[in-house]
Amino acid sequence: GAVVSQHPSRVICKSGTSVKIECRSLDFQATTMFWYRQFPKQSLMLMATSNEGSKATYEQGVEKDKFLINHASLTLSTLTVTSAHPEDSSFYICSARDPNTNQPQHFGDGTRLSIL
Amino acid sequence: QKEVEQDPGPLSVPEGAIVSLNCTYSNSAFQYFMWYRQYSRKGPELLMYTYSSGNKEDGRFTAQVDKSSKYISLFIRDSQPSDSATYLCAMSERNAGNMLTFGGGTRLMVKP
Repeated sequence: GAVVSQHPSRVICKSGTSVKIECRSLDFQATTMFWYRQFPKQSLMLMATSNEGSKATYEQGVEKDKFLINHASLTLSTLTVTSAHPEDSSFYICSARDPNTNQPQHFGDGTRLSIL
Repeated sequence: QKEVEQDPGPLSVPEGAIVSLNCTYSNSAFQYFMWYRQYSRKGPELLMYTYSSGNKEDGRFTAQVDKSSKYISLFIRDSQPSDSATYLCAMSERNAGNMLTFGGGTRLMVKP
């Protein structure tokens, strides 16, 4: 079964709306979670690394004020796309790693965001 | 030049064929090598992961790593229509769960 749950799976909203996406680790406590963005027929692009209890680390070119990340507990990270515009429409995917193992990241099922 | 190169395809094969998917990379510090399968509008699903060079087999899937050539492969035997998906290679340096560098993905179509 899924070890990382992402919600919602689909969002359609008007330009200017802020959208929150949740990522939960189900079977382990994740001190680190990752947020990716994927455009059609392209690979995953890492946006930021979410660290429990501290500020997220953003990749170059990703606006911190636009994509707010909160990792308030060991099982939940949220990504908020603030004042979303049509160019923010994309597929957003989170992943989490179990710090007690050397296993690869587990991915959520993604959130398809469409801004009208 | 990208750090990880992967032929985007699409690769179309008949059912039952052996499929070979490949990635090349330039960073010699990569030690962990993963293959993910991604169906349309879904998140990537981990298929195989290996550490350093060598082969690893799991059912119909075999992963190979050749660090001297900076080349990794995924073989799928007796391919099925349900294998039709995009296959992404990914690599990391110090820990399998750390920051991943992805290839661009290869789209595979297995025709009945």
